[in-house]
Amino acid sequence: SQQGEEDPQALSIQEGENATMNCSYKTSINNLQWYRQNSGRGLVHLILIRSNEREKHSGRLRVTLDTSKKSSSLLITASRAADTASYFCATDWRSEGGGNKLTFGTGTQLKVEL
Amino acid sequence: GAGVSQSPSNKVTEKGKDVELRCDPISGHTALYWYRQSLGQGLEFLIYFQGNSAPDKSGLPSDRFSAERTGGSVSTLTIQRTQQEDSAVYLCASSLGTNTRLTEAFFGQGTRLTVV
Repeated sequence: SQQGEEDPQALSIQEGENATMNCSYKTSINNLQWYRQNSGRGLVHLILIRSNEREKHSGRLRVTLDTSKKSSSLLITASRAADTASYFCATDWRSEGGGNKLTFGTGTQLKVEL
Repeated sequence: GAGVSQSPSNKVTEKGKDVELRCDPISGHTALYWYRQSLGQGLEFLIYFQGNSAPDKSGLPSDRFSAERTGGSVSTLTIQRTQQEDSAVYLCASSLGTNTRLTEAFFGQGTRLTVV
């Protein structure tokens, strides 16, 4: 399975601290994406990093990608209570059948406390 | 509409009944996915449609599950003879994906299915 593994499963920090989440995957990818989910419903796309990129920034988000280790990290700086959510990595990869798939990791539940 | 629309939002059904879940993707998006998420879990891939290509059905858990996408737009996920373990949130997403690159996926709000 290409499903990513995320680490940690749960993370609790104080407002203002940085939060780091990690994602590992199994096969070669086209790109890796991070999503956020509130209240167990629809996911919202945060950032996409291509396989030939190593680092990408968007506002308070910083994503790194190490294709040699098949891993990625998401850093949220200066966290806020509103950042409390579940965060998922997703990999775009070419499956054995020849088509592309977008499969998701197990997620990290982030809680930011006041 | 501007986003991915799923209906119904919630569905309670009796064990053994069939259910049909609908997804209306963003206009122009060629890729459409169905995922299932049990409480507190990650997203389980079910099926993927890309343009006119044959769908990738590798994630469907049993032959009770099927999905169609008519005219490259609206998709329906059908679960026959529902079981209690089918209870979950079913999420649909669409993207501008091509056969070589998948771009960001836009998700609907999901259908929460409860089998009693």
